[in-house]
Formats: sequence, C-alpha cells, structure tokens
Amino acid sequence: DVKVTQSSRYLVKRTGEKVFLECVQDMDHENMFWYRQDPGLGLRLIYFSYDVKMKEKGDIPEGYSVSREKKERFSLILESASTNQTSMYLCASRLAGVETQYFGPGTRLLVL
Amino acid sequence: AQSVTQPDIHITVSEGASLELRCNYSYGATPYLFWYVQSPGQGLQLLLKYFSGDTLVQGIKGFEAEFKRSQSSFNLRKPSVHWSDAAEYFCAVGPNDYKLSFGAGTTVTVRA
Repeated sequence: DVKVTQSSRYLVKRTGEKVFLECVQDMDHENMFWYRQDPGLGLRLIYFSYDVKMKEKGDIPEGYSVSREKKERFSLILESASTNQTSMYLCASRLAGVETQYFGPGTRLLVL
Repeated sequence: AQSVTQPDIHITVSEGASLELRCNYSYGATPYLFWYVQSPGQGLQLLLKYFSGDTLVQGIKGFEAEFKRSQSSFNLRKPSVHWSDAAEYFCAVGPNDYKLSFGAGTTVTVRA
C-alpha cells in the first residue's frame, strides 16, 4: 500500500513565524503535490514537484515556497505565516505518468 | 483555464437509496475528469477517472460516473448507498492528469 505521511496533524503558529510542513511518501513516486483545502473552495494546488529539485507553481503559490531535496520528501514552507494561511494542507504523490494521486491525512494549521 | 462546479453543497440520502452527485466543468477540450472521496479524518481517495473511450466509467465501492460532453457534466452515481458512503466527494478536472482543479465538494449524509 502507498503511504503518504505528513509530519503533523495539527499545528498552531504565530503570525510572522516561519512554518515547515513535511510530507514523506514511501513508494518512490516522482511527482508530489501540496494543496490547501478550505470550506466552500475545495482543494487548490499550491506547488507541484515532478522530480527531485524540480518544482512548478500551482494556482496559489503566493506566500509559499517548497523544497524537494530527496525523492521521498516534499516540504512546504510558509516564510512568514499570516492568518489567511490558516487552512488544511494536503500532500499527495503519484508515479509519473500514472493518473492516481495518493493523499496524506492532512495538516490542519492555525495561524494566530 | 478550467473550472469545476459542484452545485450541491450537501445531500442527505437514506441508506439503500440511490445517489447522484452533480459535477459541471468548463474546459475547451475533453478534459481529464476525476471523482475523489474524503471520509472523515482520512485523506482523499480516488473513486474513478475518465480520459477517453466509453463515457460510462466504473469505479471502486460500486460507484459509476457518466461523461456527457454536450452538457459538460461528469455526474457520479451509486444505485444503493451504504452508511459508510457518508463522506465528502470532490470532482476534479484538468488539461492533464496532474494539474487539477477541484470543485468545492459535496457532503453526503446517510440516514438509517
């Protein structure tokens, strides 16, 4: 079974803090994704990585950056957290060329 | 740019009754279409997908969906729902199989 894990289920941070969200997959998938999920808006793609050190902006990259130094790990970075980044963050991975994305359980981030 | 609309925010259905969830999309060509399900506290799981070929596609857990190009729709159906089908359902569309736009989701409640 594919397993996608996210470092925290719940996180509380202060405005202005630098925040790291970590995602690890154990199936040697080339592609990894970060989404945020907000009520009434569904999922929105923040960043996509198609391989190690390769990244592409999604629909809402502003205020975020990513890092993919190793194939199994994809980090989402909030350089200076703001209250409008309070959300559920979902990580996903997939094998390149195979349509199915496998999702992690999500990290619920609260920025105070 | 593509977009997807799920007109129903919340649907309540009796156990054993049929279920239909609506999805309408906007895209110039034939898109890649997906339905995902998110059970409480779980990550998203792919139910089914459509790229080409037979417009009626079968998925997991007894779900099916029909692509109707003339109506720009990809509605999800299940003939007889089970209590375990209570979840949030997301329709997704994209020009390819990785840059997806997700709908806002439909929450399904199953009553005994």
